[in-house]
Amino acid sequence: EPEVTQTPSHQVTQMGQEVILRCVPISNHLYFYWYRQILGQKVEFLVSFYNNEISEKSEIFDDQFSVERPDGSNFTLKIRSTKLEDSAMYFCASSAGWQPQHFGDGTRLSIL
Amino acid sequence: AQTVTQSQPEMSVQEAETVTLSCTYDTSESDYYLFWYKQPPSRQMILVIRQEAYKQQNATENRFSVNFQKAAKSFSLKISDSQLGDAAMYFCAYRTTYNQGGKLIFGQGTELSVKP
Repeated sequence: EPEVTQTPSHQVTQMGQEVILRCVPISNHLYFYWYRQILGQKVEFLVSFYNNEISEKSEIFDDQFSVERPDGSNFTLKIRSTKLEDSAMYFCASSAGWQPQHFGDGTRLSIL
Repeated sequence: AQTVTQSQPEMSVQEAETVTLSCTYDTSESDYYLFWYKQPPSRQMILVIRQEAYKQQNATENRFSVNFQKAAKSFSLKISDSQLGDAAMYFCAYRTTYNQGGKLIFGQGTELSVKP
């Protein structure tokens, strides 16, 4: 069964540094998402992306965050200047429209 | 705005027994999707079951079934013949049908432990 793949599985970064989280969605999917889960808390929506533009974003997704689909396969989340509170599990998901979203295994981001 | 509430932070069940996890939600929409996702200690997010609000029949996937009460805005998950591998965090989630790429809105989660 096709999978959403995320790299790296764990990223450790110094506060203030830029970080890029990478995702390869399922190939025939058109809708892409990023979610975040702070340890012990619920999963929160960050942003959705369709047709090469952001279709919806949450209050969490401020100017420090950006998303990009640089080629036909990758979908990236960039955090420009990381803060301690950005430490979390970041999940990428994709869907083919009305079908359920499929999640990757997540990237654990640790900010020191 | 839609909200999802899971009022049971933790639940416990004996192996082979049945357990029900509760979820309530709030929405003004008449059509939507509801989901249960499982998150084992590895922290993957695994789809367990989904329900479309316009369907009156409760969804079933093997040992997993839901009790969908639209008027009460309730969506509980029943796990029958519980297995050790069912131990995980379970999240209830809502998605609009207003647009195809609608976001998921998650509840706070219920940590299920299974006793041998």
